Order: sequence, then structure tokens, then C-alpha cells
Amino acid sequence: KAGVTQTPRYLIKTRGQQVTLSCSPISGHRSVSWYQQTPGQGLQFLFEYFSETQRNKGNFPGRFSGRQFSNSRSEMNVSTLELGDSALYLCASARWGGAEGETQYFGPGTRLLVL
Amino acid sequence: SQQGEEDPQALSIQEGENATMNCSYKTSINNLQWYRQNSGRGLVHLILIRSNEREKHSGRLRVTLDTSKKSSSLLITASRAADTASYFCATALWGTGNQFYFGTGTSLTVIP
Repeated sequence: KAGVTQTPRYLIKTRGQQVTLSCSPISGHRSVSWYQQTPGQGLQFLFEYFSETQRNKGNFPGRFSGRQFSNSRSEMNVSTLELGDSALYLCASARWGGAEGETQYFGPGTRLLVL
Repeated sequence: SQQGEEDPQALSIQEGENATMNCSYKTSINNLQWYRQNSGRGLVHLILIRSNEREKHSGRLRVTLDTSKKSSSLLITASRAADTASYFCATALWGTGNQFYFGTGTSLTVIP
């Protein structure tokens, strides 16, 4: 069974631009979560989608948004990029996501560099 | 804010030795999971221990959980160079669905 895939793997943008990252979960998984990883803040939860609905949201500004499609694929968008948005963005999928703490399976990440 | 903290932040050992890393967390949890991350890549799930369990084994891994002390430890026995990675504990809090809180991570280096 194929794992979680993320595209693109690397991205360079300039301040003020916007970016869209994509995540395809493991087949049959309906929960998709997004995390931001930086050296200073570590791994931080952005949001979780389940059945095309945002179910949980972390403490990030409104510039960070996402959506999930009927096939469970998810996209994350960051508008008006700031230098501090440079990070590794990780997507994780889980079968149901309803059982608290269900194991999540992570993709390889998208490394975003904002210049 | 971080839910958990790993200790030590960095650990360097010789191949064949055991590696122990600890995780402390702040609030009541449903379960605790350990993940491994090779440099700048995705996280790989290692093991899950539920709040009503005290110890769990998986191959060369042994995890313990002490809910009274809000702490967990991960022991890797007979370490190999391939175990070089960062290790994170992750907790899911009651009532927060599938939102994981990760610790700060322990960077393990196994010297051949």
C-alpha cells in the first residue's frame, strides 16, 4: 500500500507570495492533518480534516488555510508569506481520526523556503 | 506550546550500546506514541502505548509509561548506526480528537 505523498518536496518563494501544498493520504484514510516543523518551535499542529471538514485547528494565523477533497486528498495554502513561514510542512493521515491518538502516518514533507 | 519535552536533547553512543531517552508531558493523555525522524524527512511511527499500559516491547524497542509522573521512556537496545535519527514523543489529549502534541525531540547519534 502506497504511503502518504506530498508535493512538491521543495519550494522556494519570496515574501508576500502565496503557496499551495498538496497531500495524498494512504488509500482508505479519511483523516489528514498538517504540521509545521521549525528548529525554533519544533513540530506544531496546524489543522486536521476529516470527510472534507476541518475538525481541529491549531494556533496559527488565518493566513494558513486548508481544504480536503472528496477523495481525501488535502491542500494547504499559506497566503502573504513571511520569512518565518520557512519550515518543513508535514502531512499525516489516519484511517478514522476519530479515536483520540490514533496512529498517524506521515509523508516525507514539503520544505518551504521563503526569501 | 510544546506538550512534552524529551531528555536528553542530544545523545551520542557507540554501536551496540543501549540508548535511553525520556519524555515528559503536562496533561492527562489517552496514549503516547514515539516517532523517529531521519534528517529533514518525514516521521516514522515506532510504537504506541496506551494510558493503561506500563510497558511495551517491539523488536529492539522498549517503551515505558508512568502516568503518575507524566513521563515515558524509550529504550533502544543494541543500537546500530541506522538508528541515528531524532526521536519524538507525541501525545493526544482527551477531547482534542486526533491533534498530536510533539515533544522537543532527542537527537541520537550512533557511532559505528
